[in-house]
Amino acid sequence: AQTVTQSQPEMSVQEAETVTLSCTYDTSESDYYLFWYKQPPSRQMILVIRQEAYKQQNATENRFSVNFQKAAKSFSLKISDSQLGDAAMYFCAYRGDNYGQNFVFGPGTRLSVLP
Amino acid sequence: KAGVTQTPRYLIKTRGQQVTLSCSPISGHRSVSWYQQTPGQGLQFLFEYFSETQRNKGNFPGRFSGRQFSNSRSEMNVSTLELGDSALYLCASSLARQGDNYTFGSGTRLTVV
Repeated sequence: AQTVTQSQPEMSVQEAETVTLSCTYDTSESDYYLFWYKQPPSRQMILVIRQEAYKQQNATENRFSVNFQKAAKSFSLKISDSQLGDAAMYFCAYRGDNYGQNFVFGPGTRLSVLP
Repeated sequence: KAGVTQTPRYLIKTRGQQVTLSCSPISGHRSVSWYQQTPGQGLQFLFEYFSETQRNKGNFPGRFSGRQFSNSRSEMNVSTLELGDSALYLCASSLARQGDNYTFGSGTRLTVV
């Protein structure tokens, strides 16, 4: 079974600074997807960024980028120029490549942004 | 277009009762998945429905069940509620093509007293 680990229960960052959230996972599959989701107090899970395992190039979405190390099974999220609106719970998630595969989520990292 | 709609937003039930939660997916989305979120266990997969058929199921007792209607709307039911069933229940929908993104709703907060 796949597992996802986030070793940082809480992180804080100064507004406009850069922060990196860590994620490691375990799988025996070769094709899969990795995601970072953000959950603000509104409770809705919002997709921040996704990475296909077959792509070597790291995904980027504006201020958000990942460092995907497939051999090390590591998938960290870097947030640049942090904004107050970035404060939320961040979940790393894995999903296999087959139809009907469910998400496996990590325990989450609570990010605080300090003004 | 409208997002994933979950109703009700909040619910308080008594131990032993049963409850039904509803999820209306984004128009055109045929797959609906359900997740339970608790502080202790985190986010755990309950089940997924596609074209009215359960395609995948998580490790939950039989008290948890679901169904999907022909319009893709889904309901999940929990019978004989226990205090430990208190959680945020999230549903997510997708077009169900391989590699599709899933869109989550804002969840139903269930409190069992």
